Amino acid sequence: EVQLVQSGAEVIKPGESLKISCKTSGFSFTSFWIGWVRQMPGKGLEWMGVIFPDDSDTRYNPSFQGQVTISADKSVNTAYLQWSNLKASDTAMYFCARLDGTLYTPLVDWGQGTLVTVSS
Amino acid sequence: SALTQPRSVSGSPGQSITISCTGTSSDVGAYNYVSWYQQHPGKAPKLIIFDVNKRPSGVPDRFSGSKSANTATLTISGLQVEDEADYHCCSYTGAYTYVVFGGGTKLTVL
Repeated sequence: EVQLVQSGAEVIKPGESLKISCKTSGFSFTSFWIGWVRQMPGKGLEWMGVIFPDDSDTRYNPSFQGQVTISADKSVNTAYLQWSNLKASDTAMYFCARLDGTLYTPLVDWGQGTLVTVSS
Repeated sequence: SALTQPRSVSGSPGQSITISCTGTSSDVGAYNYVSWYQQHPGKAPKLIIFDVNKRPSGVPDRFSGSKSANTATLTISGLQVEDEADYHCCSYTGAYTYVVFGGGTKLTVL
């Protein structure tokens, strides 16, 4: 069974750094793109970027380039999303998801989401 | 920019509804890589349509998708109470922005 299990909710102060995780199982981690999707409170989904864990090829939505870093650790089948300087506007639910194949394939399996709250 | 969806639609059990998703000739109009996701409150999205009109295994055939020019459409026939959810469309946009979502549509089953 394919599973993507995300790390727990975080409450962080503005200006702090954060790294959230997405631990996968049930498929070959190095054979599929893993993506990150943001959902701000009461809003729609936004595609942030993807990583191919085998060679760490990473593609970003230009809107998120330079704002976040996507990485992966093949040894523990886990993808990560990190910030170095969080802002209140980063408050959102963040989902990881597995693409079905190439970059134009759909997001077929999803994590449960990680709620990030940035507040002083 | 984001694909355009109606903010809300509604229908009664047993009826059919459609949700439109309007993009441009650079996304919806350029590729047959439109997908739809169903999201119940507090839950992760679930893929219900991909490649414009294909259904993943386990998704009822009450859900169907189509596309004409720059607009994709999700149709749900024989509405059921459990169909009440948010629906998000998504399109591949090529090798720069890659993927764009719509703003989401809230379906209310009255």
